[in-house]
Amino acid sequence: QVQLQQWGAGLLKPSETLSLTCAVYGGSFSGFYWNWIRQPPGKGLEWIGEINHVGSTSYNPSLRSRIIMSVDTSKSQLSLKLRSVTAADTAVYYCAKLGRTVAGTEKGFESWGQGTLVTVSS
Amino acid sequence: EIVLTQFPGSLSLSPGERATLSCRASQSVPSSFLAWYQQKPGQAPRLLIYGASSRATDIPDRFTGSGSGTDFTLTISRLEPEDFALYYCQQYGRSPYTFGQGTKLEVK
Repeated sequence: QVQLQQWGAGLLKPSETLSLTCAVYGGSFSGFYWNWIRQPPGKGLEWIGEINHVGSTSYNPSLRSRIIMSVDTSKSQLSLKLRSVTAADTAVYYCAKLGRTVAGTEKGFESWGQGTLVTVSS
Repeated sequence: EIVLTQFPGSLSLSPGERATLSCRASQSVPSSFLAWYQQKPGQAPRLLIYGASSRATDIPDRFTGSGSGTDFTLTISRLEPEDFALYYCQQYGRSPYTFGQGTKLEVK
C-alpha cells in the first residue's frame, strides 16, 4: 500500500509563499496523478490541483494564478507552492493519489498524506 | 464547474439503523466518476466508494454506492459505532474536481 508523507512550514505571514512537499513510498510514482487538497478549519474540502510524473498539471481556476506544482521523480516527491498567502489560505493541506483500477480508469483519491496545518497570521 | 450538493446536512441515527446519504450534481458527472469519503476528526478522508458504486479496498459491504448522471446515494445498511463521522461526495470526472459540503452522521 502506498504511503504519502508530507511536510512544510506551518506558520506563515501574509504575502509569503506556502511551500509543501509530499513523498511517496511503497508504490509506483509514474502513471498516476498526484493531487493537493485543502480543508480550512471546521470546513469542507477544496481541490487545489494535480500533477503527474512528467509534470503535466491541472489547477483549480480559483487558485491558478498563485500555484506552482512540481515533481522530482528521482525522489518520488511532489511539491506545492502557493504565493501571496492570506488568512483565507489557512487550512490543513493534504496530498493524495488519484488511483487507477486494473482496467485503467480512475478511482478517486485512494491514498492520502497525513495533512499539514498551515496557518497564515501576522 | 460541477457543484455537488449533499443532503441532509446532518443525520441522527442509532447503531444498527440504515443511513441514506444523497449527493446531487449541478450537471451530469462524466463516466459516473463519483466518489464517497469518510472523515473522522483529525484524520485524512478515507475513500469508501469510487465510480459511484465500486467499494474501495477493505471497505465493508454494509457501504453501498448507487446512482448515475446527477443523483447519487451512499447507503450504510446497519450502522456500526465507528461509522459515525463526516461523509463527502466528490466528482473526479471533470476538472476542477469538486466536493460536496458534507453530511455529518451523528449518534442519536
